[in-house]
Amino acid sequence: GAVVSQHPSRVICKSGTSVKIECRSLDFQATTMFWYRQFPKQSLMLMATSNEGSKATYEQGVEKDKFLINHASLTLSTLTVTSAHPEDSSFYICSAREPTVGNTIYFGEGSWLTVV
Amino acid sequence: SQKIEQNSEALNIQEGKTATLTCNYTNYSPAYLQWYRQDPGRGPVFLLLIRENEKEKRKERLKVTFDTTLKQSLFHITASQPADSATYLCALLNFNKFYFGSGTKLNVKP
Repeated sequence: GAVVSQHPSRVICKSGTSVKIECRSLDFQATTMFWYRQFPKQSLMLMATSNEGSKATYEQGVEKDKFLINHASLTLSTLTVTSAHPEDSSFYICSAREPTVGNTIYFGEGSWLTVV
Repeated sequence: SQKIEQNSEALNIQEGKTATLTCNYTNYSPAYLQWYRQDPGRGPVFLLLIRENEKEKRKERLKVTFDTTLKQSLFHITASQPADSATYLCALLNFNKFYFGSGTKLNVKP
């Protein structure tokens, strides 16, 4: 199947700093990527939909100024957690839609963010 | 309100038996329904997709059904193996967005 690469897989940052997570579709062009957050033993919560060349669409309750999303190319979307706080610690997962195979979405391996 | 419900209780079965997981939804009109497998600390892995006009889809030991009248999908794993132990998520495509159920954990005992 298609491959989506997410980096870094684990990151620890100090409270108040910003951290960037990258999501790349390696073997297909993704006009749409999605960012999710998942707490332990809970479902994936959709944070935002990232569209190449345009502004991201955020879900209700997600602060767009805190979670900056950039989708500058058809293979790369980035999520920047700004002024991170311990409550932002979570598992962040990106996914990309493969447009030629029935809109199947493929996930990255996820990024564990720990804010200390 | 819109809901996707999967049995939150873990499903424990014996190796070799068929595992059946359920996904029910309300207030969605999905064009597609997908099933994913997620292992602890990993991103979900795509398994199967079924369209609204399809009633059943198979892939090796996996079978998915989709009943748009009942608003339900069933996911079956036949001849289950301990390696099938994981959390299985259903996901709906609704108005260009994907929404996930909370997943059901499957434990296959040898």
